[in-house]
Amino acid sequence: DVVMTQSPLSLPVTLGQPASISCRSSQSLVYSDGNTYLNWYQQRPGQSPRRLIYKVSTRDSGVPDRFSGSGSGTDFTLKVSRVEAEDVGVYYCMQGSHWPYTFGLGTKLEI
Amino acid sequence: EVHLVESGGVVVQPGGSLRLSCAASGFTFDGYFMNWVRQAPGKGLEWISLINGDGSITYYADSVRGRFTVSRDNSKNTLYLQMNSLRMEDTALYYCAKDTAGSPDYWGQGTLVTVSS
Repeated sequence: DVVMTQSPLSLPVTLGQPASISCRSSQSLVYSDGNTYLNWYQQRPGQSPRRLIYKVSTRDSGVPDRFSGSGSGTDFTLKVSRVEAEDVGVYYCMQGSHWPYTFGLGTKLEI
Repeated sequence: EVHLVESGGVVVQPGGSLRLSCAASGFTFDGYFMNWVRQAPGKGLEWISLINGDGSITYYADSVRGRFTVSRDNSKNTLYLQMNSLRMEDTALYYCAKDTAGSPDYWGQGTLVTVSS
């Protein structure tokens, strides 16, 4: 299985400041169709996960533009340009290029 | 608006069986792959199963293959997960999630399965 390694696992941030989460995969996530199925999820306390970004850098509908995704191959990053209080939660990367889908362990973002 | 509601989670003894359901609305159900993803208490997310739109193709994680079976009834807009030979390590919140662009997008609120003697 593809191992997804996130860092850091805990991310203390200051309101209004930027934040960055790294995700590395044990294999290239470039699929045979040319797409890279790397996704980011946010799970606020007590809530279900919500997809923020799919295929590396495409934001889902309703996701604030302060969230951005980048990367290629095996190395990916989620950035929050200016952290707001509502961004507190756990962030997961997930790959869908190889079976089975696999998630990272999560990064807890806290103010 | 997409709406997914899981049900069927209970306390069950090791070795027991259970069927979870996920009622879907707000989208053309048979046009989408559907996932089951679980989350053990205080832990991260684990994808466990995927089924295509007409139910003819299924995928499973190694941890559940041979014990769990995913199915769907498109006439009822409902997804199912039949869980057999349950183990204590299957204790988790089970989510169903619609699949778009190769990954789960909308998720339900989850249903809790507790395996305990």
